[in-house]
Amino acid sequence: GAVVSQHPSRVICKSGTSVKIECRSLDFQATTMFWYRQFPKQSLMLMATSNEGSKATYEQGVEKDKFLINHASLTLSTLTVTSAHPEDSSFYICSAYRFGYEQYFGPGTRLTVT
Amino acid sequence: QKEVEQNSGPLSVPEGAIASLNCTYSDRGSQSFFWYRQYSGKSPELIMSIYSNGDKEDGRFTAQLNKASQYVSLLIRDSQPSDSATYLCAVNRSGAGSYQLTFGKGTKLSVIP
Repeated sequence: GAVVSQHPSRVICKSGTSVKIECRSLDFQATTMFWYRQFPKQSLMLMATSNEGSKATYEQGVEKDKFLINHASLTLSTLTVTSAHPEDSSFYICSAYRFGYEQYFGPGTRLTVT
Repeated sequence: QKEVEQNSGPLSVPEGAIASLNCTYSDRGSQSFFWYRQYSGKSPELIMSIYSNGDKEDGRFTAQLNKASQYVSLLIRDSQPSDSATYLCAVNRSGAGSYQLTFGKGTKLSVIP
């Protein structure tokens, strides 16, 4: 199967700071990348859909100015959580989609805001 | 709001038994259906995909789809303790070119040795 990496795997930051999470598709070019958030004992909630070279499409209720997404190439998307607060603490997971195949998930990033 | 419903469980089965996981969805236009396995603290791993009515088998796993009833299921034969995980049902959103998925909350499966 296809390989998607995320970095960092875990991050702890102080309230008010910003955190950047990288998502890379290592062995294929992804037409679309997705960012999800998962709170404990909850399912994955789609935050935004990102296509290379265009603005991300955010789900209802997700603040686009707080969760900045950049999709600069077909293999790299980044999510920046700006002015993080403790309620942003969550498991952030990206996935990469290749046309005609399925979504392939990264290993996730555990964000803790203190 | 399109929804995907799953019994949260936990579903406990003895080792070697068949585990049956069920999922219903509300978006009649959905065409793609997926089962993911998620171990605690890990990201989801694709187990099965199914696109047409009927059964699809892959090793110990069988996915079943009934679009008329808006129902998809996953059977795990000869369940092993390593199958203990949360199983997420995911359904694509209808609409041209939509690859976005809606996930259910997952069913926690526990296989008892």
